[in-house]
Amino acid sequence: EVQLVESGGDRVQPGGSLRLACAVSGFTFSDYWMHWVRQDPGKGLVWVARINSDGSSTSYADSVKGRFTISRDNAENILYLHMNSLRVEDTAVYYCVRASDNWGQGTLVTVSS
Amino acid sequence: DIQMTQSPSSLSASLGDRVIITCRTSQSVITNLHWYQQKPGKAPKLLIYRASSLPNGVPSRFSGSGSGTEFTLTISSLQPDDFATYYCHQSHSPPLTFGGGTKVEIK
Repeated sequence: EVQLVESGGDRVQPGGSLRLACAVSGFTFSDYWMHWVRQDPGKGLVWVARINSDGSSTSYADSVKGRFTISRDNAENILYLHMNSLRVEDTAVYYCVRASDNWGQGTLVTVSS
Repeated sequence: DIQMTQSPSSLSASLGDRVIITCRTSQSVITNLHWYQQKPGKAPKLLIYRASSLPNGVPSRFSGSGSGTEFTLTISSLQPDDFATYYCHQSHSPPLTFGGGTKVEIK
Protein backbone atom coordinates (compact mmCIF):
# COMPACT_ATOMS: atom_id res chain seq x y z
CA GLU A 1 0.00 0.00 0.00
CA VAL A 2 1.31 3.41 -0.97
CA GLN A 3 1.79 5.64 2.06
CA LEU A 4 3.04 9.21 2.38
CA VAL A 5 3.31 10.63 5.89
CA GLU A 6 4.18 14.29 6.38
CA SER A 7 5.67 15.74 9.54
CA GLY A 8 7.30 18.92 10.75
CA GLY A 9 4.38 21.32 10.61
CA ASP A 10 4.37 23.84 13.44
CA ARG A 11 3.57 27.40 14.46
CA VAL A 12 6.43 29.76 13.65
CA GLN A 13 6.97 33.51 13.67
CA PRO A 14 7.29 35.52 10.45
CA GLY A 15 10.86 35.34 9.18
CA GLY A 16 11.37 31.94 10.74
CA SER A 17 12.30 28.61 9.23
CA LEU A 18 10.86 25.13 9.18
CA ARG A 19 11.67 21.80 7.57
CA LEU A 20 8.88 19.51 6.47
CA ALA A 21 9.49 15.82 5.84
CA CYS A 22 7.47 13.20 4.00
CA ALA A 23 8.27 9.56 4.70
CA VAL A 24 7.08 7.24 1.98
CA SER A 25 6.55 3.50 1.73
CA GLY A 26 4.82 0.95 -0.46
CA PHE A 27 6.51 1.94 -3.71
CA THR A 28 9.94 2.51 -5.22
CA PHE A 29 10.51 6.14 -4.19
CA SER A 30 13.43 6.67 -6.56
CA ASP A 31 11.18 5.97 -9.57
CA TYR A 32 8.86 8.94 -9.01
CA TRP A 33 8.84 12.71 -9.31
CA MET A 34 7.47 14.25 -6.12
CA HIS A 35 5.64 17.47 -5.28
CA TRP A 36 4.62 19.70 -2.42
CA VAL A 37 1.17 21.27 -2.67
CA ARG A 38 -0.40 23.57 -0.10
CA GLN A 39 -3.90 24.61 0.81
CA ASP A 40 -4.86 27.68 2.79
CA PRO A 41 -7.56 26.79 5.33
CA GLY A 42 -10.89 26.77 3.52
CA LYS A 43 -9.33 27.63 0.17
CA GLY A 44 -8.02 25.99 -2.99
CA LEU A 45 -4.93 23.98 -3.84
CA VAL A 46 -1.65 25.64 -4.76
CA TRP A 47 1.36 23.81 -6.18
CA VAL A 48 4.58 24.72 -4.33
CA ALA A 49 7.48 22.72 -5.76
CA ARG A 50 8.51 19.55 -7.53
CA ILE A 51 11.64 17.42 -7.80
CA ASN A 52 12.55 14.78 -10.33
CA SER A 53 13.23 11.18 -9.46
CA ASP A 54 16.97 11.47 -8.79
CA GLY A 55 16.85 14.95 -7.27
CA SER A 56 18.82 16.63 -10.05
CA SER A 57 16.02 18.95 -11.19
CA THR A 58 13.61 21.13 -9.22
CA SER A 59 10.91 23.71 -9.97
CA TYR A 60 9.16 26.20 -7.71
CA ALA A 61 6.13 28.45 -7.62
CA ASP A 62 7.12 32.09 -7.91
CA SER A 63 5.67 32.80 -4.47
CA VAL A 64 8.26 30.55 -2.78
CA LYS A 65 11.23 30.76 -5.15
CA GLY A 66 14.39 31.68 -3.30
CA ARG A 67 12.84 30.91 0.10
CA PHE A 68 11.86 27.22 -0.12
CA THR A 69 14.01 24.26 -1.18
CA ILE A 70 12.70 20.83 -2.11
CA SER A 71 15.06 17.87 -1.72
CA ARG A 72 14.93 14.13 -1.35
CA ASP A 73 16.86 11.25 0.19
CA ASN A 74 16.25 8.22 -2.01
CA ALA A 75 18.19 5.96 0.34
CA GLU A 76 15.91 6.83 3.25
CA ASN A 77 12.71 7.29 1.20
CA ILE A 78 12.11 10.82 2.48
CA LEU A 79 11.05 14.00 0.70
CA TYR A 80 11.85 17.35 2.30
CA LEU A 81 10.72 20.95 2.05
CA HIS A 82 13.06 23.47 3.65
CA MET A 83 11.18 26.71 4.28
CA ASN A 84 13.01 29.94 5.10
CA SER A 85 11.89 33.56 5.52
CA LEU A 86 8.38 32.39 6.25
CA ARG A 87 5.52 34.82 5.75
CA VAL A 88 2.01 34.97 7.18
CA GLU A 89 0.70 34.04 3.73
CA ASP A 90 2.62 30.74 3.85
CA THR A 91 0.14 29.52 6.45
CA ALA A 92 -1.44 26.38 5.00
CA VAL A 93 -1.72 22.63 5.12
CA TYR A 94 1.22 21.23 3.15
CA TYR A 95 0.73 17.98 1.24
CA CYS A 96 3.37 15.65 -0.13
CA VAL A 97 2.23 14.23 -3.50
CA ARG A 98 3.60 11.35 -5.55
CA ALA A 99 3.57 12.30 -9.24
CA SER A 100 -0.10 13.33 -9.65
CA ASP A 101 -1.69 10.37 -7.93
CA ASN A 102 -1.14 9.72 -4.23
CA TRP A 103 -1.32 12.37 -1.49
CA GLY A 104 -0.25 12.37 2.12
CA GLN A 105 -2.61 13.50 4.89
CA GLY A 106 -0.96 16.92 5.17
CA THR A 107 0.84 18.86 7.87
CA LEU A 108 -0.23 22.30 9.11
CA VAL A 109 2.16 25.24 9.01
CA THR A 110 1.04 28.37 10.82
CA VAL A 111 3.06 31.56 10.45
CA SER A 112 1.98 34.11 13.01
CA SER A 113 3.43 36.51 15.53
CA ASP B 1 1.87 30.28 -16.60
CA ILE B 2 -1.08 28.10 -17.60
CA GLN B 3 -4.32 29.52 -16.21
CA MET B 4 -7.12 27.16 -15.22
CA THR B 5 -10.77 28.12 -15.45
CA GLN B 6 -13.04 25.66 -13.72
CA SER B 7 -16.82 25.98 -13.78
CA PRO B 8 -19.15 26.14 -12.10
CA SER B 9 -17.62 27.13 -8.76
CA SER B 10 -20.52 25.44 -7.01
CA LEU B 11 -23.64 23.52 -7.88
CA SER B 12 -26.62 21.97 -6.16
CA ALA B 13 -27.81 18.62 -7.40
CA SER B 14 -30.02 15.73 -6.36
CA LEU B 15 -29.19 12.08 -5.95
CA GLY B 16 -29.21 10.39 -9.34
CA ASP B 17 -28.51 13.60 -11.27
CA ARG B 18 -25.91 13.76 -14.02
CA VAL B 19 -23.28 16.33 -13.11
CA ILE B 20 -20.78 17.90 -15.51
CA ILE B 21 -17.84 20.06 -14.43
CA THR B 22 -15.65 21.79 -16.98
CA CYS B 23 -12.05 22.92 -16.92
CA ARG B 24 -10.41 25.15 -19.50
CA THR B 25 -6.69 25.84 -19.72
CA SER B 26 -5.12 28.96 -21.21
CA GLN B 27 -2.86 26.87 -23.43
CA SER B 28 -2.76 23.26 -24.48
CA VAL B 29 -1.85 20.72 -21.83
CA ILE B 30 -2.44 17.86 -24.28
CA THR B 31 -3.95 15.29 -21.89
CA ASN B 32 -1.87 16.16 -18.83
CA LEU B 33 -5.01 17.05 -16.90
CA HIS B 34 -6.21 15.30 -13.77
CA TRP B 35 -9.29 15.49 -11.53
CA TYR B 36 -9.44 15.19 -7.75
CA GLN B 37 -12.18 14.88 -5.17
CA GLN B 38 -11.72 16.44 -1.75
CA LYS B 39 -13.88 16.12 1.33
CA PRO B 40 -13.60 18.44 4.36
CA GLY B 41 -10.53 17.76 6.47
CA LYS B 42 -9.19 15.17 4.03
CA ALA B 43 -6.50 15.09 1.38
CA PRO B 44 -7.54 15.20 -2.27
CA LYS B 45 -8.14 11.85 -3.93
CA LEU B 46 -7.33 11.16 -7.58
CA LEU B 47 -10.48 10.53 -9.63
CA ILE B 48 -9.27 10.76 -13.23
CA TYR B 49 -5.73 10.91 -14.59
CA ARG B 50 -4.50 11.97 -18.01
CA ALA B 51 -7.91 13.42 -18.85
CA SER B 52 -9.86 10.18 -19.17
CA SER B 53 -8.23 7.31 -17.27
CA LEU B 54 -9.92 5.87 -14.19
CA PRO B 55 -7.65 4.72 -11.35
CA ASN B 56 -8.32 1.35 -9.77
CA GLY B 57 -11.08 1.56 -7.19
CA VAL B 58 -12.78 4.70 -8.52
CA PRO B 59 -16.44 4.01 -9.37
CA SER B 60 -17.31 3.86 -13.06
CA ARG B 61 -19.93 6.63 -12.67
CA PHE B 62 -16.97 9.02 -12.86
CA SER B 63 -15.59 9.76 -16.30
CA GLY B 64 -13.36 12.35 -17.89
CA SER B 65 -12.94 13.61 -21.41
CA GLY B 66 -11.14 16.25 -23.41
CA SER B 67 -7.73 17.21 -24.69
CA GLY B 68 -5.85 20.37 -25.48
CA THR B 69 -7.60 23.14 -23.57
CA GLU B 70 -11.09 21.83 -22.79
CA PHE B 71 -11.90 19.08 -20.34
CA THR B 72 -14.93 17.71 -18.54
CA LEU B 73 -15.57 15.58 -15.50
CA THR B 74 -18.91 13.77 -15.55
CA ILE B 75 -20.65 12.01 -12.70
CA SER B 76 -23.31 9.93 -14.41
CA SER B 77 -25.58 9.41 -11.40
CA LEU B 78 -24.80 11.40 -8.26
CA GLN B 79 -24.47 9.31 -5.12
CA PRO B 80 -24.40 10.38 -1.43
CA ASP B 81 -20.64 9.85 -1.24
CA ASP B 82 -20.07 12.29 -4.14
CA PHE B 83 -20.90 15.48 -2.28
CA ALA B 84 -17.48 17.08 -2.13
CA THR B 85 -15.25 19.63 -3.84
CA TYR B 86 -13.66 18.73 -7.17
CA TYR B 87 -10.46 20.19 -8.64
CA CYS B 88 -8.80 19.94 -12.01
CA HIS B 89 -5.00 20.08 -12.22
CA GLN B 90 -2.52 20.41 -15.07
CA SER B 91 0.86 18.71 -14.85
CA HIS B 92 1.97 19.69 -18.34
CA SER B 93 4.43 22.43 -17.43
CA PRO B 94 5.58 24.29 -14.34
CA PRO B 95 4.29 26.14 -12.52
CA LEU B 96 1.73 23.37 -12.16
CA THR B 97 -1.72 24.78 -11.54
CA PHE B 98 -5.10 23.82 -10.15
CA GLY B 99 -8.58 24.95 -10.97
CA GLY B 100 -10.45 26.94 -8.37
CA GLY B 101 -12.66 24.02 -7.38
CA THR B 102 -16.30 23.05 -7.75
CA LYS B 103 -18.29 22.41 -4.61
CA VAL B 104 -21.08 19.90 -5.20
CA GLU B 105 -23.88 20.25 -2.68
CA ILE B 106 -27.16 18.53 -2.01
CA LYS B 107 -30.23 20.19 -3.49
